[in-house]
Amino acid sequence: KNEVEQSPQNLTAQEGEFITINCSYSVGISALHWLQQHPGGGIVSLFMLSSGKKKHGRLIATINIQEKHSSLHITASHPRDSAVYICAVMPNYGGSQGNLIFGKGTKLSVKP
Amino acid sequence: KAGVTQTPRYLIKTRGQQVTLSCSPISGHRSVSWYQQTPGQGLQFLFEYFSETQRNKGNFPGRFSGRQFSNSRSEMNVSTLELGDSALYLCASSLQREYGEQFFGPGTRLTVL
Repeated sequence: KNEVEQSPQNLTAQEGEFITINCSYSVGISALHWLQQHPGGGIVSLFMLSSGKKKHGRLIATINIQEKHSSLHITASHPRDSAVYICAVMPNYGGSQGNLIFGKGTKLSVKP
Repeated sequence: KAGVTQTPRYLIKTRGQQVTLSCSPISGHRSVSWYQQTPGQGLQFLFEYFSETQRNKGNFPGRFSGRQFSNSRSEMNVSTLELGDSALYLCASSLQREYGEQFFGPGTRLTVL
């Protein structure tokens, strides 16, 4: 079983829809990252969370440490949101910032 | 402020050769991490450097190595290339070692023939 599980693997939405991507993990963590990867490979860090909720524009990320679960929400989705969204956790053992464990990603396609 | 840069962006090698990839972090960032991305395995952690010291290493064979220089620039080397080493290699830099946001470079796409 993967230590970080994302659902769904693929998601197709119509422009304007509210989107939720889920991430569950099985290890103790120091922080959780949500990343966005566009075709061509470039990765952008969207959020880093250790508790609660963060909002940036139309994106909202929440985390429940007790339940080992995080969600990424996109409100009023747009075709430019089409990308792969990746959840990554920083385990709280090992003591190193770089040792992220990644989910397999959710491929989002938003149709106009 | 310039972002993380990686060179080269694309590379084609043949089996048995070795390759060196370079990563220049954002100015002031002292932590550099390397990741491998393949269609089958997804993103996997290779190693992390901070102040010229390797702090952590992922589960990769000894053919994968790296180093960091005093200006925080980092290189990774893969010796005796195998077909399975074909991947996108990403580096990321961070201002802090702990709990810091990571900034990713564009990656180097390595193809091994």
